[in-house]
Amino acid sequence: QKEVEQDPGPLSVPEGAIVSLNCTYSNSAFQYFMWYRQYSRKGPELLMYTYSSGNKEDGRFTAQVDKSSKYISLFIRDSQPSDSATYLCAMSLDSNYQLIWGAGTKLIIKP
Amino acid sequence: DAGVTQSPTHLIKTRGQHVTLRCSPISGHKSVSWYQQVLGQGPQFIFQYYEKEERGRGNFPDRFSARQFPNYSSELNVNALLLGDSALYLCASSLAGRQPGYQETQYFGPGTRLLVL
Repeated sequence: QKEVEQDPGPLSVPEGAIVSLNCTYSNSAFQYFMWYRQYSRKGPELLMYTYSSGNKEDGRFTAQVDKSSKYISLFIRDSQPSDSATYLCAMSLDSNYQLIWGAGTKLIIKP
Repeated sequence: DAGVTQSPTHLIKTRGQHVTLRCSPISGHKSVSWYQQVLGQGPQFIFQYYEKEERGRGNFPDRFSARQFPNYSSELNVNALLLGDSALYLCASSLAGRQPGYQETQYFGPGTRLLVL
């Protein structure tokens, strides 16, 4: 069993829809949770970063962490075709800098 | 300001050969991490260097090695290439490495795509 599980998709939604992306994890010691966006043939780009539990909002993006369920989510409101990319979750322990990644979900926003 | 740069962008090698990948961090960043991303999977941590010292190593064989230079640039070396080494190799830089209780943002380069035939 992988430490971080993420549905690879693809997830296809119409423009303007609300998108929900999720990851589950097995290690309850994870403290830092991140969402990266990766366009084809590019390196990952940090979108959201959350410490411990709770919600964080940045423009059209909202990240949620539920440590009791070992479940994190990324919501994208008013989705745009330019949001089409692979979204990767990543997490790390408090004193260990190594990032543990999900496999990524491919998101397609249809105009 | 320039982001993280990596060279070469693409590389084709044959089994058994050796490869050297290069990374230049963002100006002012002292930490470099290397990741391997196989098609369809998330990145896997290989190494982290800070101030020329190895600060972390992932679960990769000794065929993989790296170093960081005084100007904070870094090289990843892979010996005796296997078909399974075909992947996108990502370099990430950050200001400093492994500060307990503090997670720093890692900025990724575009990667080097390695194909082993």
